[in-house]
Amino acid sequence: AQSVTQPDIHITVSEGASLELRCNYSYGATPYLFWYVQSPGQGLQLLLKYFSGDTLVQGIKGFEAEFKRSQSSFNLRKPSVHWSDAAEYFCAVADRDDKIIFGKGTRLHILP
Amino acid sequence: GAVVSQHPSWVICKSGTSVKIECRSLDFQATTMFWYRQFPKQSLMLMATSNEGSKATYEQGVEKDKFLINHASLTLSTLTVTSAHPEDSSFYICSARVRGRSYNEQFFGPGTRLTVL
Repeated sequence: AQSVTQPDIHITVSEGASLELRCNYSYGATPYLFWYVQSPGQGLQLLLKYFSGDTLVQGIKGFEAEFKRSQSSFNLRKPSVHWSDAAEYFCAVADRDDKIIFGKGTRLHILP
Repeated sequence: GAVVSQHPSWVICKSGTSVKIECRSLDFQATTMFWYRQFPKQSLMLMATSNEGSKATYEQGVEKDKFLINHASLTLSTLTVTSAHPEDSSFYICSARVRGRSYNEQFFGPGTRLTVL
């Protein structure tokens, strides 16, 4: 069965510093991969998605992610974080039945 | 485009009562909607898949008689929590799949916070 692992429960970075959030997936075929962001008490906002093609995916708010099949990874990056980026980030994988499986999430804290 | 709304955004009810949560796709038709549950500081867990005009498919461990799902039209799905108890308190989020898309893309609603006293 497919699964998603986000090894970091919490990440703290200083404002202006670069960010990388890790995500590993388990799926037999080529996966559909997503990164979502959730602010406290809010719904999910899609940051970016990968279905096929270029393995470096650009998203909203300056985020990007790189699909690495050999490592079963889909890490999220941002060159310079802003205080408004503090939130919960979820990596997710979807199967052909349209079911989305979410990782446990990584809480991002920003130091001023 | 592709906006999904939920109503209510929050609800407080007494133990033993039933609560209905609506999920609407505002500007597109959704043949499939999904219901998720999120406990505090945890991830989203898929509860059920709702297809328009047919019975919902529930994930293992989800009580279908407790969480009634109806998908009567291409823009509306409802989740009814029957005989709610404090352990049902959670954040419920729906999503809708855009009809006609060749790939899986779901749009999420803003969520409904249920508190059962």
